[in-house]
Amino acid sequence: KAGVTQTPRYLIKTRGQQVTLSCSPISGHRSVSWYQQTPGQGLQFLFEYFSETQRNKGNFPGRFSGRQFSNSRSEMNVSTLELGDSALYLCASRRGDQETQYFGPGTRLLVL
Amino acid sequence: QQQVKQSPQSLIVQKGGISIINCAYENTAFDYFPWYQQFPGKGPALLIAIRPDVSEKKEGRFTISFNKSAKQFSLHIMDSQPGDSATYFCAASFTGNQFYFGTGTSLTVIP
Repeated sequence: KAGVTQTPRYLIKTRGQQVTLSCSPISGHRSVSWYQQTPGQGLQFLFEYFSETQRNKGNFPGRFSGRQFSNSRSEMNVSTLELGDSALYLCASRRGDQETQYFGPGTRLLVL
Repeated sequence: QQQVKQSPQSLIVQKGGISIINCAYENTAFDYFPWYQQFPGKGPALLIAIRPDVSEKKEGRFTISFNKSAKQFSLHIMDSQPGDSATYFCAASFTGNQFYFGTGTSLTVIP
């Protein structure tokens, strides 16, 4: 069974631009969560989508948004990029509640 | 507020030694406690997980010890190997809710 895939793997943007990241979960998984990982900060939870609905949301500004499609694929959008948005963005999927999460390889975003 | 506190931040162990990483949590509603291993350039991968109805779970050289009354759980890596050098994250969640992660422990196993 294919794992979680994320595209693109690397991205360079400039301040003020916007970016869209994509995540394809493992087949049959209905939940997709997004995390931001920076050195020293660990994994910061952004949001979780379950069956196309945002179920949980972390403490990030409204510039960070996401959505989930009927095939469970998810996208995350960051508008008006700031230098501090440079990070590894990880997507994780799980079949449902009380199931473990499986992470993708991440998208490394560099904002110049 | 940090829901899951992890220590130490970094750990250096000799090959063959025991690596111990500790985590503490506050929310007694948590009912699932996984540990993840992350190598540079990769996403975290599930290592081992435990639910609060058991006090210990062992998988190969990896053991989770769980103390419900103290709200603590720990990862023990027996016979540590250089290939175990990675960053380890503990996490906690409960049904319908997000996962809360510790800040990570960078483990270095010296040959």
